[in-house]
Amino acid sequence: EIVLTQSPATLSLSPGERATLSCRASQSVSNSLVWYLQKPGQAPRLLIYDASNRATGIPARFSGSGSGTDFTLTISSLEPEDFAVYYCQQRENWPLTFGGGTKVQIK
Amino acid sequence: QVQLVESGGGVVQPGRSLTLSCAASGLIFSTYGMHWVRQAPGKGLEWVAVVSADGGTKYYADSLKGRFTISRDDSKNTVYLQMNSLSAEDTAVYYCATGPGPGGDTMFHYWGQGTPVTVSS
Repeated sequence: EIVLTQSPATLSLSPGERATLSCRASQSVSNSLVWYLQKPGQAPRLLIYDASNRATGIPARFSGSGSGTDFTLTISSLEPEDFAVYYCQQRENWPLTFGGGTKVQIK
Repeated sequence: QVQLVESGGGVVQPGRSLTLSCAASGLIFSTYGMHWVRQAPGKGLEWVAVVSADGGTKYYADSLKGRFTISRDDSKNTVYLQMNSLSAEDTAVYYCATGPGPGGDTMFHYWGQGTPVTVSS
């Protein structure tokens, strides 16, 4: 099973600041890495697929990069609605696995 | 628009069984692989199982140890998750989810609202 490790666990930032979230895989997942955002009481929302492709309707301030074992989600300028928990997920191998999440909170 | 509606959750005693359902609309159900994902209280997401569009391929999370079974009924546009020998560690919100398009997608664009399962005596 591929283990995904997200860091940091919590990120405290102010609106307008840049957020950089990391996801590291225990073995290569090529570019088969997906990012989601989840707000309290809601289902997750697909943000980025295959490491760097924005899903339909996702604003350009969200970008993803990386390949192999190291991936980054960047939010160029945080909007109030971006404060949430972010998860990465690999879809290279079965079983599918998620990272433990990074909470982006208001400083 | 695509809608996924889960049902069947509730409080169940340890060791008992429970079957969850997820009714889909707004898509050609028989062409979509369907997944279950769960989230324990205050915890992260855990992928549980998938059934392929033709029902012939199923995969499960290693942690389930053969206790769960996923199935589908295309005549009812519904996917099921039968859960046996439940324990407190299975307490979670259970989501059904599927990809953005037909086929065997392994990313989740459409999600249900989730159905809570509590395993407690």
